[in-house]
Amino acid sequence: EIVLTQSPAILSLSPGERATLSCRASQSVSSYLAWYQQKPGQAPRLLIYATSNRATGIPARFSGSGSGTDFTLTISSLEPDDFALYYCQQRTSWPPVYSFGQGTKLEMK
Amino acid sequence: QVQLVESGGGAVQPGGSLRLSCAASGFVFSNYGMHWVRQAPGKGLEWVAFIRSDENDKYYADSVKGRFTISRDNSNNTVFLEMKTLKTEDTGVYFCAGDGFEDWFDPWGQGTLVSVSS
Repeated sequence: EIVLTQSPAILSLSPGERATLSCRASQSVSSYLAWYQQKPGQAPRLLIYATSNRATGIPARFSGSGSGTDFTLTISSLEPDDFALYYCQQRTSWPPVYSFGQGTKLEMK
Repeated sequence: QVQLVESGGGAVQPGGSLRLSCAASGFVFSNYGMHWVRQAPGKGLEWVAFIRSDENDKYYADSVKGRFTISRDNSNNTVFLEMKTLKTEDTGVYFCAGDGFEDWFDPWGQGTLVSVSS
Protein backbone atom coordinates (compact mmCIF):
# COMPACT_ATOMS: atom_id res chain seq x y z
CA GLU A 1 0.00 0.00 0.00
CA ILE A 2 1.31 3.41 -0.92
CA VAL A 3 1.40 5.85 1.99
CA LEU A 4 1.04 9.56 1.28
CA THR A 5 2.73 11.94 3.72
CA GLN A 6 1.77 15.59 3.63
CA SER A 7 3.90 18.39 4.98
CA PRO A 8 3.75 20.55 6.85
CA ALA A 9 0.90 19.42 9.08
CA ILE A 10 0.06 23.06 9.78
CA LEU A 11 1.01 26.03 7.62
CA SER A 12 0.53 29.53 9.04
CA LEU A 13 0.52 32.29 6.45
CA SER A 14 -1.08 35.65 5.77
CA PRO A 15 -3.39 36.66 2.92
CA GLY A 16 -1.39 37.58 -0.15
CA GLU A 17 1.43 35.16 0.66
CA ARG A 18 2.35 32.11 -1.38
CA ALA A 19 1.50 28.67 0.01
CA THR A 20 3.41 25.52 -0.90
CA LEU A 21 1.97 22.22 0.29
CA SER A 22 3.87 18.98 -0.17
CA CYS A 23 2.69 15.40 -0.66
CA ARG A 24 5.27 12.61 -0.71
CA ALA A 25 4.48 9.01 -1.67
CA SER A 26 6.21 6.03 -0.05
CA GLN A 27 6.92 4.67 -3.53
CA SER A 28 6.63 5.98 -7.04
CA VAL A 29 3.05 6.80 -7.95
CA SER A 30 2.16 5.34 -11.31
CA SER A 31 -1.21 7.03 -11.47
CA TYR A 32 -2.20 10.63 -11.12
CA LEU A 33 -2.43 12.64 -7.91
CA ALA A 34 -5.40 14.74 -6.84
CA TRP A 35 -5.83 17.52 -4.29
CA TYR A 36 -8.92 18.42 -2.27
CA GLN A 37 -9.92 21.35 -0.07
CA GLN A 38 -12.16 20.82 2.95
CA LYS A 39 -13.68 23.45 5.20
CA PRO A 40 -15.22 22.67 8.62
CA GLY A 41 -18.56 20.94 8.35
CA GLN A 42 -18.33 20.64 4.58
CA ALA A 43 -17.57 17.92 2.09
CA PRO A 44 -14.19 17.93 0.38
CA ARG A 45 -13.97 19.74 -2.95
CA LEU A 46 -11.77 18.63 -5.84
CA LEU A 47 -9.15 21.26 -6.63
CA ILE A 48 -6.58 19.51 -8.83
CA TYR A 49 -6.81 16.24 -10.75
CA ALA A 50 -4.27 14.31 -12.77
CA THR A 51 -1.47 16.07 -10.86
CA SER A 52 -1.73 19.49 -12.52
CA ASN A 53 -5.23 20.11 -13.90
CA ARG A 54 -7.56 22.52 -12.15
CA ALA A 55 -11.09 21.27 -11.59
CA THR A 56 -14.03 23.24 -12.92
CA GLY A 57 -14.42 26.60 -11.21
CA ILE A 58 -11.09 26.47 -9.35
CA PRO A 59 -9.22 29.80 -9.50
CA ALA A 60 -5.96 30.07 -11.37
CA ARG A 61 -4.03 30.84 -8.18
CA PHE A 62 -4.20 27.09 -7.43
CA SER A 63 -1.68 24.93 -9.26
CA GLY A 64 -0.35 21.39 -8.93
CA SER A 65 2.91 19.85 -9.99
CA GLY A 66 5.18 16.89 -9.41
CA SER A 67 5.93 13.34 -10.45
CA GLY A 68 7.23 10.07 -9.07
CA THR A 69 7.10 10.44 -5.29
CA ASP A 70 6.99 14.23 -4.80
CA PHE A 71 4.00 16.42 -5.50
CA THR A 72 3.15 20.02 -4.68
CA LEU A 73 0.04 22.15 -4.41
CA THR A 74 0.81 25.84 -4.75
CA ILE A 75 -1.51 28.74 -3.99
CA SER A 76 0.13 31.77 -5.53
CA SER A 77 -1.50 34.50 -3.46
CA LEU A 78 -3.67 33.47 -0.54
CA GLU A 79 -7.22 34.75 -0.28
CA PRO A 80 -9.10 34.64 3.05
CA ASP A 81 -11.32 31.89 1.62
CA ASP A 82 -8.30 29.61 1.06
CA PHE A 83 -7.65 28.89 4.73
CA ALA A 84 -8.82 25.30 5.11
CA LEU A 85 -7.66 21.68 5.20
CA TYR A 86 -6.00 20.22 2.12
CA TYR A 87 -5.65 16.54 1.25
CA CYS A 88 -3.74 14.77 -1.48
CA GLN A 89 -4.99 11.45 -2.89
CA GLN A 90 -3.83 8.75 -5.25
CA ARG A 91 -4.81 5.33 -6.53
CA THR A 92 -2.82 2.12 -6.70
CA SER A 93 -2.82 0.57 -10.14
CA TRP A 94 -4.56 -2.75 -9.51
CA PRO A 95 -6.85 -3.52 -7.86
CA PRO A 96 -7.96 0.06 -7.50
CA VAL A 97 -7.33 1.08 -3.90
CA TYR A 98 -7.30 4.73 -2.97
CA SER A 99 -5.36 6.50 -0.25
CA PHE A 100 -5.29 10.01 1.16
CA GLY A 101 -2.60 11.98 2.86
CA GLN A 102 -3.24 12.96 6.47
CA GLY A 103 -3.90 16.57 5.48
CA THR A 104 -2.31 20.00 5.80
CA LYS A 105 -4.15 22.66 7.74
CA LEU A 106 -3.62 26.07 6.19
CA GLU A 107 -4.30 28.64 8.89
CA MET A 108 -4.25 32.40 8.90
CA LYS A 109 -1.33 33.97 10.71
CA GLN B 1 -26.89 21.13 -11.34
CA VAL B 2 -24.87 18.08 -10.36
CA GLN B 3 -25.93 16.88 -6.93
CA LEU B 4 -25.38 13.91 -4.64
CA VAL B 5 -27.56 13.53 -1.55
CA GLU B 6 -26.79 10.88 1.06
CA SER B 7 -29.25 9.46 3.55
CA GLY B 8 -29.63 6.54 5.92
CA GLY B 9 -27.11 7.43 8.59
CA GLY B 10 -27.89 7.14 12.27
CA ALA B 11 -26.96 5.59 15.57
CA VAL B 12 -26.46 1.85 15.84
CA GLN B 13 -24.95 -0.56 18.34
CA PRO B 14 -21.78 -2.55 17.61
CA GLY B 15 -22.63 -5.59 15.53
CA GLY B 16 -25.60 -3.82 13.96
CA SER B 17 -26.37 -2.92 10.36
CA LEU B 18 -27.20 0.17 8.34
CA ARG B 19 -27.92 0.87 4.70
CA LEU B 20 -26.80 4.18 3.25
CA SER B 21 -28.22 5.66 0.06
CA CYS B 22 -26.91 8.34 -2.25
CA ALA B 23 -29.27 9.90 -4.80
CA ALA B 24 -27.66 11.48 -7.84
CA SER B 25 -29.02 14.13 -10.17
CA GLY B 26 -27.78 16.51 -12.83
CA PHE B 27 -25.63 14.03 -14.74
CA VAL B 28 -25.93 10.71 -16.57
CA PHE B 29 -25.52 8.50 -13.50
CA SER B 30 -25.26 5.23 -15.41
CA ASN B 31 -22.09 6.45 -17.14
CA TYR B 32 -20.09 6.98 -13.96
CA GLY B 33 -18.51 4.87 -11.28
CA MET B 34 -19.30 5.83 -7.69
CA HIS B 35 -17.37 5.78 -4.44
CA TRP B 36 -17.99 5.93 -0.72
CA VAL B 37 -15.45 7.79 1.40
CA ARG B 38 -15.66 8.22 5.16
CA GLN B 39 -14.22 10.53 7.77
CA ALA B 40 -14.00 9.65 11.46
CA PRO B 41 -14.60 12.56 13.85
CA GLY B 42 -11.64 14.93 13.73
CA LYS B 43 -9.72 12.62 11.40
CA GLY B 44 -8.75 12.47 7.75
CA LEU B 45 -10.43 10.90 4.75
CA GLU B 46 -10.60 7.15 4.13
CA TRP B 47 -11.79 5.55 0.92
CA VAL B 48 -14.32 2.78 1.57
CA ALA B 49 -15.65 1.30 -1.67
CA PHE B 50 -15.98 1.78 -5.44
CA ILE B 51 -18.48 0.42 -7.94
CA ARG B 52 -18.05 0.80 -11.69
CA SER B 53 -20.81 2.13 -13.88
CA ASP B 54 -21.91 -1.31 -15.10
CA GLU B 55 -22.36 -2.62 -11.52
CA ASN B 56 -20.17 -5.65 -12.23
CA ASP B 57 -16.93 -4.59 -10.61
CA LYS B 58 -16.69 -3.59 -6.97
CA TYR B 59 -13.68 -2.83 -4.80
CA TYR B 60 -13.30 -2.35 -1.07
CA ALA B 61 -10.86 -1.09 1.50
CA ASP B 62 -9.40 -3.91 3.60
CA SER B 63 -10.97 -2.36 6.71
CA VAL B 64 -14.51 -3.05 5.43
CA LYS B 65 -14.05 -6.05 3.14
CA GLY B 66 -16.53 -8.81 3.96
CA ARG B 67 -18.72 -6.49 6.04
CA PHE B 68 -19.76 -3.74 3.61
CA THR B 69 -21.39 -4.12 0.19
CA ILE B 70 -21.65 -1.40 -2.42
CA SER B 71 -24.41 -1.59 -5.02
CA ARG B 72 -26.27 0.69 -7.38
CA ASP B 73 -29.61 1.10 -9.11
CA ASN B 74 -29.01 2.87 -12.40
CA SER B 75 -32.73 3.09 -13.12
CA ASN B 76 -33.17 5.22 -10.00
CA ASN B 77 -29.80 7.02 -10.03
CA THR B 78 -28.86 5.72 -6.60
CA VAL B 79 -25.83 4.09 -5.05
CA PHE B 80 -26.02 2.16 -1.78
CA LEU B 81 -23.68 1.03 0.97
CA GLU B 82 -24.91 -1.92 3.00
CA MET B 83 -22.96 -2.03 6.26
CA LYS B 84 -23.05 -5.09 8.51
CA THR B 85 -21.25 -6.18 11.68
CA LEU B 86 -20.56 -2.53 12.44
CA LYS B 87 -17.70 -1.62 14.74
CA THR B 88 -17.10 1.49 16.83
CA GLU B 89 -14.29 2.40 14.45
CA ASP B 90 -16.82 2.65 11.60
CA THR B 91 -18.18 5.82 13.21
CA GLY B 92 -17.92 8.89 11.01
CA VAL B 93 -19.39 10.89 8.18
CA TYR B 94 -19.90 8.87 5.03
CA PHE B 95 -19.65 10.73 1.73
CA CYS B 96 -20.60 9.43 -1.68
CA ALA B 97 -18.55 10.77 -4.55
CA GLY B 98 -18.49 10.48 -8.30
CA ASP B 99 -15.61 8.79 -10.03
CA GLY B 100 -13.14 10.65 -12.22
CA PHE B 101 -11.55 8.19 -14.63
CA GLU B 102 -10.87 5.93 -11.62
CA ASP B 103 -8.27 8.42 -10.38
CA TRP B 104 -10.13 11.10 -8.44
CA PHE B 105 -13.42 11.87 -6.70
CA ASP B 106 -15.84 14.48 -8.00
CA PRO B 107 -18.46 15.60 -7.12
CA TRP B 108 -19.12 14.89 -3.44
CA GLY B 109 -22.30 14.68 -1.45
CA GLN B 110 -22.74 16.50 1.85
CA GLY B 111 -22.33 13.31 3.88
CA THR B 112 -24.38 11.31 6.34
CA LEU B 113 -23.30 10.59 9.91
CA VAL B 114 -22.98 7.04 11.19
CA SER B 115 -22.47 6.57 14.92
CA VAL B 116 -21.63 3.11 16.27
CA SER B 117 -21.64 2.88 20.03
CA SER B 118 -23.15 0.90 22.86
